[in-house]
Amino acid sequence: EIVMTQSPVTLSVSPGERATLSCRASQSVSSKLAWYQQKPGQAPRLLIYGASTRATGIPARFSGSGSETEFTLTISSLQSEDFAVYYCQHYNNWPPLFGPGAKLDIK
Amino acid sequence: QITLTESGPTLVKPTQTLTLTCTFSGFSLSTSDVAVGWIRQPPGKTLEWLALIYWDDDKRYSPSLKSRLTVTKDTSRNQVVLKMTNMDPVDTATYYCAHKFDWNPFDYWGQGILVTVSS
Repeated sequence: EIVMTQSPVTLSVSPGERATLSCRASQSVSSKLAWYQQKPGQAPRLLIYGASTRATGIPARFSGSGSETEFTLTISSLQSEDFAVYYCQHYNNWPPLFGPGAKLDIK
Repeated sequence: QITLTESGPTLVKPTQTLTLTCTFSGFSLSTSDVAVGWIRQPPGKTLEWLALIYWDDDKRYSPSLKSRLTVTKDTSRNQVVLKMTNMDPVDTATYYCAHKFDWNPFDYWGQGILVTVSS
C-alpha cells in the first residue's frame, strides 16, 4: 500500500500571510491526490482533487500542485476560517490512504 | 443537493457487531460509476478508509479490516449498511459515509456518528 506523509505537523501563520503544506507519497500516485480541510466537530471538506483542481465552491486562494510523489497545498492569504487541519489522500489504487494531517493555527 | 446521514448505535460492547446505516439523497446508487464509502476517525487521529460499494455491487475493503467488514446496499431505500464484527475499544471513532463518483475522491460527506466501544 502507498503510505502518505505530511509536513509540517503544525504550521503557525498570521492572517493574511501565505501558508504552504506538503504531502509525500511512498510511490507514485500520478495526479490522483486530494486535499481536505477539517474543522473541529465537522466532517472533512474536499478542497482539491487531481492534485490541482479546486472542488466546487472552493475559493481561489486555495491552490494545489505537484505530481507523482510530491504535492503542495498553498493558501495565498490566510483568512480566519482557514485555520483547521488539512489532510491529503491518494486515490490512485486500493487502499486510498490518508496522510496524518497538518494543523494550521494562528500565529 | 447531495446529503448523507449516518445512523446506528453510539455505544457498543466489546465483541459485539456494529451495524451502521448511511441514508442518502440527491443521487442514486443505481447510476453508473457512483459509490458510497465508509471512513472512520478515532478521536484526535487521522482518517482511515474502511470500505466502499459501487453502483454495480462491486465492493472494496481495507486490507487490515477486511475479515471484519461487510458493506451492502439497498438501492430502493437509498441506503448503505456497514457491519463490523468483534468490536474493540480501539474501534472507538467517528464513522463517516461519503459519496464518490468514478475514479475521484470523496466529495460529499455525512456529518459522522461517534461510536464508543466500552463495557
